[in-house]
Amino acid sequence: EIVMTQSPATLSVSPGERATLSCRASQSVSSNLAWYQQKPGQAPRLLIYGASTRATGIPARFSGSGSGTEFTLTISSLQSEDFAVYYCQQYNNWPPQLTFGGGTKVEIK
Amino acid sequence: QVQLVQSGAEVKKPGASVKVSCKASGYTFTSNYMHWVRQAPGQGLEWMGVINPSGGSTSYAQKFQGRVTMTRDTSTSTVYMELSSLRSEDTAVYYCAKGYCSGGYCYPFDYWGQGTLVTVSS
Repeated sequence: EIVMTQSPATLSVSPGERATLSCRASQSVSSNLAWYQQKPGQAPRLLIYGASTRATGIPARFSGSGSGTEFTLTISSLQSEDFAVYYCQQYNNWPPQLTFGGGTKVEIK
Repeated sequence: QVQLVQSGAEVKKPGASVKVSCKASGYTFTSNYMHWVRQAPGQGLEWMGVINPSGGSTSYAQKFQGRVTMTRDTSTSTVYMELSSLRSEDTAVYYCAKGYCSGGYCYPFDYWGQGTLVTVSS
């Protein structure tokens, strides 16, 4: 099983500041990495796929980078609606054995 | 518009089974795979497995092998996830999520159901 590790567990950021979230895979997943955002009481929402491609309707302040085992999600200027939990997910294997990271909570500083 | 509508909350006793449904609409049911993901209270997301509604083939997470069964009914565009031998640790919100699989990959999930809370308690 590919283990996904996210850091930090919690990130305290002021509105308007930049947030940088990390995700590490236990083995290479190429660019088959997605990021999701989840708010309390809601289902997750797809933000980024292919490590760096924004999903439909996702604002440009969200960007993803990385390949292989190291990935980053950057939120360039945090808005109030961006305070949430963020998960990375790898989808690099077949038959599918998809795995999520443990999540990073972005909270208001 | 795409909709995934799940069945309602369930309360089960340890050792019992639960079957959760997910009815799809707004797209061609057999053209996308359906995944199941669960989330224990206050915890992260855990992928359980996937079913191809076209042929019914499945792939389950190793953790759930032998305990989970995913099926589909193409006449009603509904997929089902049954989990057996329930224990308290299975208390969670269970989500179905639609995704596209092709060329040796299952791509990320673009639509999710609203979630079904399953509570396991004696």
